Amino acid sequence: QKEVEQNSGPLSVPEGAIASLNCTYSDRGSQSFFWYRQYSGKSPELIMFIYSNGDKEDGRFTAQLNKASQYVSLLIRDSQPSDSATYLCAPYTGNQFYFGTGTSLTVIP
Amino acid sequence: NAGVTQTPKFRILKIGQSMTLQCAQDMNHNYMYWYRQDPGMGLKLIYYSVGAGITDKGEVPNGYNVSRSTTEDFPLRLELAAPSQTSVYFCASSPQGVSNQPQHFGDGTRLSIL
Repeated sequence: QKEVEQNSGPLSVPEGAIASLNCTYSDRGSQSFFWYRQYSGKSPELIMFIYSNGDKEDGRFTAQLNKASQYVSLLIRDSQPSDSATYLCAPYTGNQFYFGTGTSLTVIP
Repeated sequence: NAGVTQTPKFRILKIGQSMTLQCAQDMNHNYMYWYRQDPGMGLKLIYYSVGAGITDKGEVPNGYNVSRSTTEDFPLRLELAAPSQTSVYFCASSPQGVSNQPQHFGDGTRLSIL
């Protein structure tokens, strides 16, 4: 069983702050790691992915990966109310994506 | 671009009935996936396919069947609906199963079994 753990939250941050979302995974064979955003009642949409140790930045989003610790995170800078959603971590292993339960983020205006 | 199209969007079934959830993609993607998402939970993989004629089980295949006769279509079949299958079902596709290719999701089918 491949486990993906995320703090379910809810995580609340004020507008303009940095939101930090964390994810740990059990399968050391995971090759890459995807972050999806899911608004209530909608399908997941890709934010970004990372497959090398270190940081990867895309606009206000930064993904961080530490394979030795089996840990991946997503930082959202200058959080906006439109960022309020559930964020799903999804390691990719052997043709399959394994999704965590997601972290619910609320950005307070 | 239509992307991934799922039909129907909503459906209510009675226990023991059967139905097929349709999924079609127009991006010529080889890989297709079926997930279910229960309230407050992440997505669980039911079945996936790496190309026409090839399917494989995911984490939660019991009670479901799939087929992949064409690249475009990947229907999911429920033979004997049970209340435990009440969920939101998402179909997704990706170009191929490599580590830097994200999935594209359909809008989902909301299924209730009473």
